Amino acid sequence: NAGVTQTPKFQVLKTGQSMTLQCAQDMNHNSMYWYRQDPGMGLRLIYYSASEGTTDKGEVPNGYNVSRLNKREFSLRLESAAPSQTSVYFCASETSGGTNEQFFGPGTRLTVL
Amino acid sequence: RKEVEQDPGPFNVPEGATVAFNCTYSNSASQSFFWYRQDCRKEPKLLMSVYSSGNEDGRFTAQLNRASQYISLLIRDSKLSDSATYLCVVNIEGSASKIIFGSGTRLSIRP
Repeated sequence: NAGVTQTPKFQVLKTGQSMTLQCAQDMNHNSMYWYRQDPGMGLRLIYYSASEGTTDKGEVPNGYNVSRLNKREFSLRLESAAPSQTSVYFCASETSGGTNEQFFGPGTRLTVL
Repeated sequence: RKEVEQDPGPFNVPEGATVAFNCTYSNSASQSFFWYRQDCRKEPKLLMSVYSSGNEDGRFTAQLNRASQYISLLIRDSKLSDSATYLCVVNIEGSASKIIFGSGTRLSIRP
């Protein structure tokens, strides 16, 4: 099992460009999450999906959109990148049944110039 | 006030020492508590869940104090490999949008 995979690992964008971060999990989890991590601020929730076909905003959704393509895949899109979106982005999926353990992908390091 | 607060450290302790971290949370409705470990430039990984009765996993002990709204992590006989950032995580049950990560406590174990 690969667990949670993310692509790309690194990306540099210019202000105004768009891109999609891909995430997939092979653990048959219902819930998936997108976080960003900035120095000194901990992980902040951007969007989450409790199940296939549903998505909801987290703490910092502005400037992002998501798609839960199927149970395995949850993508994050930046329509018009801004320097404030320079960050490390983590995708996670969560076990069901009350344990709430989250498994993270390796992250995408994004720089917006 | 942050919803989840941790001392950022760094804690710099010798190998073999015992070290403890605290984490405070502000929402009394918080139901689930966890410690995650994050190595430099890597993803967070679950270290242990924290139960009301306290729990132990080898050299690691986690405690929950609901009255004072804090959780703690104790590491005994620390190893060089314990060097990492430890993230406190609080989840308000039934609310996927309310999973709050602390900003982490950095631990460095020296030989």
